[in-house]
Amino acid sequence: AQKVTQAQTEISVVEKEDVTLDCVYETRDTTYYLFWYKQPPSGELVFLIRRNSFDEQNEISGRYSWNFQKSTSSFNFTITASQVVDSAVYFCALGVLQGAQKLVFGQGTRLTINP
Amino acid sequence: DTAVSQTPKYLVTQMGNDKSIKCEQNLGHDTMYWYKQDSKKFLKIMFSYNNKELIINETVPNRFSPKSPDKAHLNLHINSLELGDSAVYFCASSQKPRTSGLQETQYFGPGTRLLVL
Repeated sequence: AQKVTQAQTEISVVEKEDVTLDCVYETRDTTYYLFWYKQPPSGELVFLIRRNSFDEQNEISGRYSWNFQKSTSSFNFTITASQVVDSAVYFCALGVLQGAQKLVFGQGTRLTINP
Repeated sequence: DTAVSQTPKYLVTQMGNDKSIKCEQNLGHDTMYWYKQDSKKFLKIMFSYNNKELIINETVPNRFSPKSPDKAHLNLHINSLELGDSAVYFCASSQKPRTSGLQETQYFGPGTRLLVL
C-alpha cells in the first residue's frame, strides 16, 4: 500500500531559524514521484517540487532545499532563514499510477513562523 | 491568466440540496482531478478524468457525479447533500504522461469551500 507520513503535526519557530519538515513514504513501486505542496492561510495549494525515484540529488531553490534518501524512504524539506511568509501547511505527496496518476498526501505539517 | 479556476469559491447550502462546482483550466492539460480536503486538512483524490474519460473513481458515493464537457472543464455535481460533505473541494489538472512511468505535476485550483447546514 502507498502511504505518506508527516509525523510533525505542527512546528513553530522564530523568524530566521532554519526548520526541517519530515516526510516518510511507503511504496512497492520501483518508479515513483514525490511532491511537496504549500497551502498558505489563503487556502490554495501551491506546487513546490517534484522528484522522481531515480534522482536522489538534493535540490536547492533559494531558501528551500530538499533531501531525498531512498534508503530511509524520506523526502525532507528544509527552509533556511525562515520568514513569516513561510507560515503555511506543507504537504508531502507520493505520486501513484493507477490507470491514471493520483497523489497520495501526507497529513500535512502546519508551520508557524513567529516574528 | 488564471491557470485552474473554480466557481464558486464558497458554497453554503442546506442538507438534501443538490449543488454543482465548476472547474476550468487554461493550461492545455489533458487530465483533470477532484480532491476533497476534510476538516483535518486531509487531502484525498475523488476522481480523475483524461480527455473527458473517467479514469479514477476512488470509492466516492454515487451522489457525487463528475462531468467533463471537454478536456478543459471538469464539473462536480453533488446530489442530496449531507453534513459530512462539508469540506474544501479542489480541482487540479496535469499533462497526461507521455511515457510509461512518468508522472506529471498536478496544478490545483483555489478550492471551493462547501458548508452543508
